[in-house]
Amino acid sequence: DIQLTQSPSFLSASVGDRVTITCRTSQGISSYLAWYQQKPGKAPKVLIYGASTLQSGVPSRFSGSGSGTEFTLTISSLQPEDFATYYCQQLYSYPLTFGGGTKVEIK
Amino acid sequence: EVHLVESGEGLVQPGRSLRLSCTVTGFSFGDYAMSWFRLAPGKGLEWVGFIRSKPFGGTTEYAASVKGRFTISRDDSKSIAYLQMNSLKTEDTAVYYCARVHYYGSGKFFSDYWGQGTLVTVSS
Repeated sequence: DIQLTQSPSFLSASVGDRVTITCRTSQGISSYLAWYQQKPGKAPKVLIYGASTLQSGVPSRFSGSGSGTEFTLTISSLQPEDFATYYCQQLYSYPLTFGGGTKVEIK
Repeated sequence: EVHLVESGEGLVQPGRSLRLSCTVTGFSFGDYAMSWFRLAPGKGLEWVGFIRSKPFGGTTEYAASVKGRFTISRDDSKSIAYLQMNSLKTEDTAVYYCARVHYYGSGKFFSDYWGQGTLVTVSS
């Protein structure tokens, strides 16, 4: 199985901050990676797929980059509604696997 | 408008079975593959498995942690996907989500619409 390691697992940031989350995979997955946002008690929401393609309706402050084994999710200017847990998921091979998550909290 | 609603929530003893349903409205269910995920208390998201649409064989894939115990099926006439869970373990306690599969190229996919989730508690 492909292992995904997200860092950091927790970060504290202020509104307006630029935030970057990293996801590393145990083997190359080309650009077959998605990022999801999940708020407490809510279903996950896809933000990015194909490593860098913004899902329809997602604000442009979210961006993704990377290929191979290292990927990043960047929020250019953190907004109050962005405080949530973020997960990367590899879409390359079965079983599809997730990173452990990054919880973004208000400083 | 697309809606997915999970049902079948419950408390069940270890070793017993439970079936979850995912009822869909707002899109042509038979044209889409469907996935199941779960979020256990204090843990991260986990992909459980998925079922392809009938034109693509209606076949399934599963996570290793549930393979041989869980079965995903579908009834296109009712627009319902099912997750049959047998030989349940305490570590299967989680909120279970169904989601629609969106293919975007080279047979790869993500999940674009999700249900609100349903809680399964496995405890004696």
